[in-house]
Amino acid sequence: NAGVTQTPKFQVLKTGQSMTLQCAQDMNHNSMYWYRQDPGMGLRLIYYSASEGTTDKGEVPNGYNVSRLNKREFSLRLESAAPSQTSVYFCASRGRDRGSPMGGYTFGSGTRLTVV
Amino acid sequence: GDSVTQMEGPVTLSEEAFLTINCTYTATGYPSLFWYVQYPGEGLQLLLKATKADDKGSNKGFEATYRKETTSFHLEKGSVQVSDSAVYFCALSERNQGGKLIFGQGTELSVKP
Repeated sequence: NAGVTQTPKFQVLKTGQSMTLQCAQDMNHNSMYWYRQDPGMGLRLIYYSASEGTTDKGEVPNGYNVSRLNKREFSLRLESAAPSQTSVYFCASRGRDRGSPMGGYTFGSGTRLTVV
Repeated sequence: GDSVTQMEGPVTLSEEAFLTINCTYTATGYPSLFWYVQYPGEGLQLLLKATKADDKGSNKGFEATYRKETTSFHLEKGSVQVSDSAVYFCALSERNQGGKLIFGQGTELSVKP
């Protein structure tokens, strides 16, 4: 099925460890996004990539890096995990709004990350 | 900067009750407005959207009208079902800003039989 695929679905890290969250979309969308979801705070944008080869900071980029590997893939890296990065992470992609049943945005199912 | 404010939850209703979830926004330009729904353990799904003033978005019995004069986009449903239990997010997106979505904090709805 077409959509946004995130891996892994669950991860537990120790403080100071590093890891990369993977995201891939097969809808030929230009734009991709990483959000984090925390209780009572909605979703906040970490980084985004408006097109292949470009990345920009969002609202909460500190402690993260991203790579737009190609048009399909957009990864999020935590170089030295901290307990404050315990969250649910969502990747999304966006295509043309016209005619899209999802209003242009498609979300992955999320990665639940716990840092102890 | 742009922001979205939703009524706080959780909201608990009996089946067939009327639902309103308030959403107001501040924006520098002329945004598109969205309601997303998140069922337990799942990602976000678009529920409805509106792109200009006085537009009414509707889907699955839910409705919301883009009110520019009051900067609001309240979600309503005439008769809720147990299956509507979820977290609802109001969001906006401005043109020429990379397609970024700005979300409200979410409102948890619980519908009891």
